[in-house]
Amino acid sequence: AQRVTQPEKLLSVFKGAPVELKCNYSYSGSPELFWYVQYSRQRLQLLLRHISRESIKGFTADLNKGETSFHLKKPFAQEEDSAMYYCALPPISGGSNYKLTFGKGTLLTVNP
Amino acid sequence: DGGITQSPKYLFRKEGQNVTLSCEQNLNHDAMYWYRQDPGQGLRLIYYSQIVNDFQKGDIAEGYSVSREKKESFPLTVTSAQKNPTAFYLCASSIVPALASYGYTFGSGTRLTVV
Repeated sequence: AQRVTQPEKLLSVFKGAPVELKCNYSYSGSPELFWYVQYSRQRLQLLLRHISRESIKGFTADLNKGETSFHLKKPFAQEEDSAMYYCALPPISGGSNYKLTFGKGTLLTVNP
Repeated sequence: DGGITQSPKYLFRKEGQNVTLSCEQNLNHDAMYWYRQDPGQGLRLIYYSQIVNDFQKGDIAEGYSVSREKKESFPLTVTSAQKNPTAFYLCASSIVPALASYGYTFGSGTRLTVV
């Protein structure tokens, strides 16, 4: 079964420090993972997709198939990065369930 | 502007009442979803619909009902059978063939409180 694990419910860092939000997955095949972010009082929005290999707001995420991980990283955290972050996994290619599987989320707090 | 709209933003329900949460999208997306968000529990899928007039139960469908009579609309009814309805409810939509590439678009949510 597909599963996404975000082992940290809460993560607190100081401004300017590196930050890494962990995401591990179980999946048959080569997944295209997502990171979503929810800032206070705002809607959940897509932060970045593995498929596009992009860097958004200084965040990057690399798929490590050996470790089945898709950790989100930023070298220098900013206070405005404080938010809830969710890792998400798409359905298996060729399957009939068109829905994402989400981790339980990590609440990041960046302290001044 | 294209997007997904949830209404109302805040909703208060008395014990024993049914309430309906609205979700409308003008993105021409095929699929629509309802999630419940509770602190520490992440996003839990209530119902989803891949095409008009068809929908499937998610992980926590008990006490909820939905309909999909139009592509643009996917209302969620929280019935009196739902034992703990106070939560933040999120609606989302996606392009079915491109879900793995583009993911979901989310609405801004409805906060339901039972009084």
